[in-house]
Amino acid sequence: RKEVEQDPGPFNVPEGATVAFNCTYSNSASQSFFWYRQDCRKEPKLLMSVYSSGNEDGRFTAQLNRASQYISLLIRDSKLSDSATYLCVVNRDSGAGSYQLTFGKGTKLSVIP
Amino acid sequence: DTEVTQTPKHLVMGMTNKKSLKCEQHMGHRAMYWYKQKAKKPPELMFVYSYEKLSINESVPSRFSPECPNSSLLNLHLHALQPEDSALYLCASSQLPGALNEQFFGPGTRLTVL
Repeated sequence: RKEVEQDPGPFNVPEGATVAFNCTYSNSASQSFFWYRQDCRKEPKLLMSVYSSGNEDGRFTAQLNRASQYISLLIRDSKLSDSATYLCVVNRDSGAGSYQLTFGKGTKLSVIP
Repeated sequence: DTEVTQTPKHLVMGMTNKKSLKCEQHMGHRAMYWYKQKAKKPPELMFVYSYEKLSINESVPSRFSPECPNSSLLNLHLHALQPEDSALYLCASSQLPGALNEQFFGPGTRLTVL
């Protein structure tokens, strides 16, 4: 089982739609969780950290389920500018000052007019 | 200033060349990172510097040599690269080292090795 798994998509949704992405991780010792977005040929940009209690930032809501080891991202009222690849990122300390940051392969979203 | 900058934006080099990639941040972050990203793949961690000391080397070939001259700068020296090393090289920084800290990425250097 891959350490971080995402549905690669693409998800093609109309403007204004609500879309949800899920991500599963295999290591129960994982400590921190993030969603990044990456536009074509650009760098990843931090979208939001994901907290155990869930968190919301405008149209974006992130949830974490530690028992089931999955993370979700909900985008409401999709905009054309939301079209990007969404990367699920999991991080954990692996001892002796080292830590393991693992990216999922990303889910591609296309918002259509 | 919440920006990580990288130079050059693009680099084409031959297999016998020596070149360097540069990364700079002025956010007072004490951890800096180098990643390599191939097309349609996620970023892969190469090196981590914590408080200007190399703390993680993810078994990267010695033709890649990182350097952290001070807390704001991170270099990646390249020598005798192979065509398969062509990729987007991303620098990132975080306030502190460790798993709980968010990383912020620079725009990357797109490297082509001929």
